[in-house]
This record gives sequence, structure tokens and C-alpha cells, in this order.
Amino acid sequence: QKEVEQNSGPLSVPEGAIASLNCTYSDRGSQSFFWYRQYSGKSPELIMFIYSNGDKEDGRFTAQLNKASQYVSLLIRDSQPSDSATYLCAGGQSGGSYIPTFGRGTSLIVHP
Amino acid sequence: DVKVTQSSRYLVKRTGEKVFLECVQDMDHENMFWYRQDPGLGLRLIYFSYDVKMKEKGDIPEGYSVSREKKERFSLILESASTNQTSMYLCASRRTGDGQFFGPGTRLTVL
Repeated sequence: QKEVEQNSGPLSVPEGAIASLNCTYSDRGSQSFFWYRQYSGKSPELIMFIYSNGDKEDGRFTAQLNKASQYVSLLIRDSQPSDSATYLCAGGQSGGSYIPTFGRGTSLIVHP
Repeated sequence: DVKVTQSSRYLVKRTGEKVFLECVQDMDHENMFWYRQDPGLGLRLIYFSYDVKMKEKGDIPEGYSVSREKKERFSLILESASTNQTSMYLCASRRTGDGQFFGPGTRLTVL
């Protein structure tokens, strides 16, 4: 069974610090990975995607993918209280109509 | 921007009622999904559609059915609502290979 694992947290970091959110996956055929942010009571919002090994940066967010270790991470630089949310990792095979597998999410708390 | 809308934000129904949840997307996406989200259980896929009139069962299809007569619209039907179907229901759409865009969700309470 394809699984995506995340530590449920909460991960607590001070404002201005780097928050590191991690995700491992079991399906070696997975090629595409997505990070979603979900505020309490709201629906998930797509914030990053990564398809290739290495780093991908978008503003304060950096996604990292290591296919050999089956590991995906999301770094949030200069964390702000407004970043406090649950972050969901999802992965799947590229192309076609694959169904992505979601992790259960990591709760992040950024305290002032 | 992609917009995914759901027919209701909050819904209260009685046990045994037939419930319709509708989802509409405006970006011509091929794929549409219905999930439910419960505390501690994460997102669970109910049904998935990759084209008009096509549907695939997800992880928890029992007690649900779906309809996709038009590309932009994907409906979830609870044939006979039960209290264990009280949940947050989330619709999502996606162009093949891309990430998903979620609607605002419908919080359904079955009494």
C-alpha cells in the first residue's frame, strides 16, 4: 500500500526561525510531490510542488526532494505567526490520472 | 485563478435523508475528487473522476455515489445519510499531473 508519512507535531518554532517539515513516502514510483497548507477550519491550499531531485525555492518556501531516500521536505524561512497551520504532503506518479496519496499533515505553530 | 465552489458551507440533515453535494470548477480540469476529512484521520478519498461520466472508487466509497454529467460539475450523493457520515467534505479538481485545487468544503452534520 502506498503511504506518505508525516510527523503530526505540533512543531513549534519562534518567529523568524526556519521551520522544517518532513515527509517520507513508500512508493518508489512516485514522481510528483505537493505541499498544501491548511488553516484551521479551511480547505487545503496548494503552496509548492516538486518533481526533480534537489531544491526548489519560492519566496520563503523551499521544497527539497531526495528520491533515493524517499524523502520530501518543506523549509519555511523567516517563519511568521501567519504560517501557523497544518501542512499536508502528497505524492504520486507523474502523468496520467494518478491518485495522489496524502499524509495526515504536520501542525506548525509559530510563536511570537 | 482556479476557482472550485461547493454548493453549501454548512448542511444539517436527518438520518435516512438523501443528500446532494455539488462541486463546480471553472478551469476545464479533467480530474475531480471528493474527500472527507475527519480529525486524526486525514483526507480520505471517496470517489474520483478523470473524465465526464467516468468515475473510480476511492478508499471509502461505501454509502456514497457520484455523478459527473458535465466536465465542470461533480456531485456527491449520500443515498441514505447516517450519523457516521457527519464530516467535512472537500471537493478538488486538477489538470492531469498537476496539484489539486480544493473547494471551501461542506461541513455536513447528520442528526
